[in-house]
Amino acid sequence: EDQVTQSPEALRLQEGESSSLNCSYTVSGLRGLFWYRQDPGKGPEFLFTLYSAGEEKEKERLKATLTKKESFLHITAPKPEDSATYLCAVEYRDSNYQLIWGAGTKLIIKP
Amino acid sequence: DGGITQSPKYLFRKEGQNVTLSCEQNLNHDAMYWYRQDPGQGLRLIYYSQIVNDFQKGDIAEGYSVSREKKESFPLTVTSAQKNPTAFYLCASSPTGGARNIQYFGAGTRLSVL
Repeated sequence: EDQVTQSPEALRLQEGESSSLNCSYTVSGLRGLFWYRQDPGKGPEFLFTLYSAGEEKEKERLKATLTKKESFLHITAPKPEDSATYLCAVEYRDSNYQLIWGAGTKLIIKP
Repeated sequence: DGGITQSPKYLFRKEGQNVTLSCEQNLNHDAMYWYRQDPGQGLRLIYYSQIVNDFQKGDIAEGYSVSREKKESFPLTVTSAQKNPTAFYLCASSPTGGARNIQYFGAGTRLSVL
């Protein structure tokens, strides 16, 4: 079954403590992998799209990387305002342009 | 400002009642989507539309209906046939379907059953 799995479910860090979130996928013919940020009670906000293995993208303290089976969202020296749920989604060859979503990782940064 | 507007923010449904969630976008996007979000689960697609007057069922369309009479509007009706409607509903749009077309989301509607 085609699916997207995010780990860990929740992550608590101290301010300034760097870490990584994982998104693994088991689809064939990846067309794109998307990272979104979601604050409580709000809609997801787009962060990055990655299209091929080896690709990397950065935005402020966030860096997304992609391999053939997974993506990592690296957070460097996080601040409390980085606290949110981070969602991963993939589109693949047979998905008819639809996205399959992971359940998300809830990130809490303590001051 | 361009964006996606969902209303209302909170909605309560009585048993046997149909309710309609509004979604309007002024981004001139062709494609629009409705998702349902439950705690601990990924977003699940209810319906999507890639062009006016055409829409397709997603993975969990039973108990829901939509219309796409205008490019800007994609309302979702939660019918009485949907026995477990309590969830956070998200509307999204993209320029066209496809990996290089990012989906942009509204702020969501939280639906509860009285």
